[in-house]
Amino acid sequence: DTEVTQTPKHLVMGMTNKKSLKCEQHMGHRAMYWYKQKAKKPPELMFVYSYEKLSINESVPSRFSPECPNSSLLNLHLHALQPEDSALYLCASSRKTESRTDTQYFGPGTRLTVL
Amino acid sequence: ILNVEQSPQSLHVQEGDSTNFTCSFPSSNFYALHWYRWETAKSPEALFVMTLNGDEKKKGRISATLNTKEGYSYLYIKGSQPEDSATYLCALHAGGTSYGKLTFGQGTILTVHP
Repeated sequence: DTEVTQTPKHLVMGMTNKKSLKCEQHMGHRAMYWYKQKAKKPPELMFVYSYEKLSINESVPSRFSPECPNSSLLNLHLHALQPEDSALYLCASSRKTESRTDTQYFGPGTRLTVL
Repeated sequence: ILNVEQSPQSLHVQEGDSTNFTCSFPSSNFYALHWYRWETAKSPEALFVMTLNGDEKKKGRISATLNTKEGYSYLYIKGSQPEDSATYLCALHAGGTSYGKLTFGQGTILTVHP
């Protein structure tokens, strides 16, 4: 099973709302990732968790707050977002991060619209 | 900032045609190149991870080659089928960057017409 699941599929929120995106994998992977993809642009890395600890933060604004409560679950908490944060948010996982050749397995993404 | 370029941006072919497209990347600090296929409304699907200069990998009708000295990789599809219609992304893992950090190209959108 190489499935990464993400919920919800779609999310519409106002600029004052607080919402969360959820990602789950049961492949025993110890590295998990959040990417952001704007229309007609490539996916861009936001955060990397390795063994449930944040290892990379690509200078993401604090209105995005990641959380990795256990090795199977990754959340992205959203607060006070801006309309320009509207994008597809992709989650991925890999066996570990101490490898540049491990395949990253992606979920289908959450399409976020900020009004 | 790493620059990963893919060409062409989009491609329309007829069923049965063979096709290829290119991923270009800086050859310095190369460590690994990943290829993904991404169908609309689905998850990106991993195709290949390539590390060695001259490497060639194959999966069914899809194959890829790698030239790390000149900084490019080709993806070939033999006898394209409508189900091959997707966006094909390459992603570079550079040697000097943090583990796990992939830099993606913008993708080649392939449409195969029946």
